[in-house]
Amino acid sequence: DTAVSQTPKYLVTQMGNDKSIKCEQNLGHDTMYWYKQDSKKFLKIMFSYNNKELIINETVPNRFSPKSPDKAHLNLHINSLELGDSAVYFCASSQMMDSSTDTQYFGPGTRLTVL
Amino acid sequence: AQSVAQPEDQVNVAEGNPLTVKCTYSVSGNPYLFWYVQYPNRGLQFLLKYITGDNLVKGSYGFEAEFNKSQTSFHLKKPSALVSDSALYFCAVTMNTGFQKLVFGTGTRLLVSP
Repeated sequence: DTAVSQTPKYLVTQMGNDKSIKCEQNLGHDTMYWYKQDSKKFLKIMFSYNNKELIINETVPNRFSPKSPDKAHLNLHINSLELGDSAVYFCASSQMMDSSTDTQYFGPGTRLTVL
Repeated sequence: AQSVAQPEDQVNVAEGNPLTVKCTYSVSGNPYLFWYVQYPNRGLQFLLKYITGDNLVKGSYGFEAEFNKSQTSFHLKKPSALVSDSALYFCAVTMNTGFQKLVFGTGTRLLVSP
């Protein structure tokens, strides 16, 4: 009964390709996030969405495009993949947008390897 | 801008001994502080958070953390470590901006030896 799920778990692809990572939460939360964890385990927010509306965009290259078809889903599409995009991408969700005190719940991560 | 420092890359402790994982923060107002744990090949799991009130916060798995405003610290503690506590621990901070933007520290690997 997974709360925040991501697919795929592993993604290996060539430079220049386009790929997508999907995220779904069944917690009924309003806000969803994408994070990138690099090889040194440093974790940084990329985007957050509230009820399908973009709230945070942390100067991520525009090759990265999040899409939220509904508030339970936040997908990440990456165009023209580069070596530096190799990382673990985590999706997360929290209950309300207008609460800085909410707890975020994380998915299991997608390990992207660009060759 | 807000930031978090976790000065130790790794903490080693023997099972049964108390453990402390350090965290200091820098914000321009009142912070909201969080601790998360990441087990190998897993996502982050929430341990505890400080919002307001009592400076000692108790969380999951017997962990607690003490908010110290004068030292701008939020160290994670446990009285008696278990081998199963071995994992990567992240401190994070946000502020009351109307939306949540967590800024994470660089993580501290805790290794508990039998």
